[in-house]
Amino acid sequence: DTTVKQNPRYKLARVGKPVNLICSQTMNHDTMYWYQKKPNQAPKLLLFYYDKILNREADTFEKFQSSRPNNSFCSLYIGSAGLEYSAMYLCASSRRQNQDTQYFGPGTRLLVL
Amino acid sequence: QQKVQQSPESLIVPEGGMASLNCTFSDRNSQYFWWYRQHSGEGPKALMSIFSNGDKKEGRFTAHLNKASLYVSLHIKDSQPSDSALYFCAAHSNYQLIWGSGTKLIIKP
Repeated sequence: DTTVKQNPRYKLARVGKPVNLICSQTMNHDTMYWYQKKPNQAPKLLLFYYDKILNREADTFEKFQSSRPNNSFCSLYIGSAGLEYSAMYLCASSRRQNQDTQYFGPGTRLLVL
Repeated sequence: QQKVQQSPESLIVPEGGMASLNCTFSDRNSQYFWWYRQHSGEGPKALMSIFSNGDKKEGRFTAHLNKASLYVSLHIKDSQPSDSALYFCAAHSNYQLIWGSGTKLIIKP
């Protein structure tokens, strides 16, 4: 089973309010990723966990937080949503890093109003 | 920093025809390249990877890599309506995949 699940599929948030997105995988993968995808743009890596170690991109360091309470689950947390956060958020996992295949969930579409 | 650019942005191919998707990258140190496909309502799904210069064939799909020219391509033979999707090229740079913005492929019956 190569399923990655994401909840919720759609999220409506108000400006200034927090948002919490959830991802799960049952493949016992070491690495879990969060990407942001806007229309007509490339998926942008926000952060990833390798085992329990969190790596955040420099330009999104202060905007997104994450936790991985166990191997299967990973969350993405936005403390105060702005209009610019409206996007598709894709979670992926891979056995390790580098050349391993990334398996994606269906995404959470976030709309901030 | 690695940049990945895909062309064309969109492509219409008749059913049974050949679809050719192009991708250029900027980091000469990149070693691994991927093609992912995303159908509407789903997340991207890995199609194939290529690590060595030359062609790699998997069924109706052939990837081509030319590291010296910083170029990778994907060719789909005998295109089917189910091939209609958004196709991403991605190149490994340091510890992450750098993605292109995608080519929207439409197969016209």
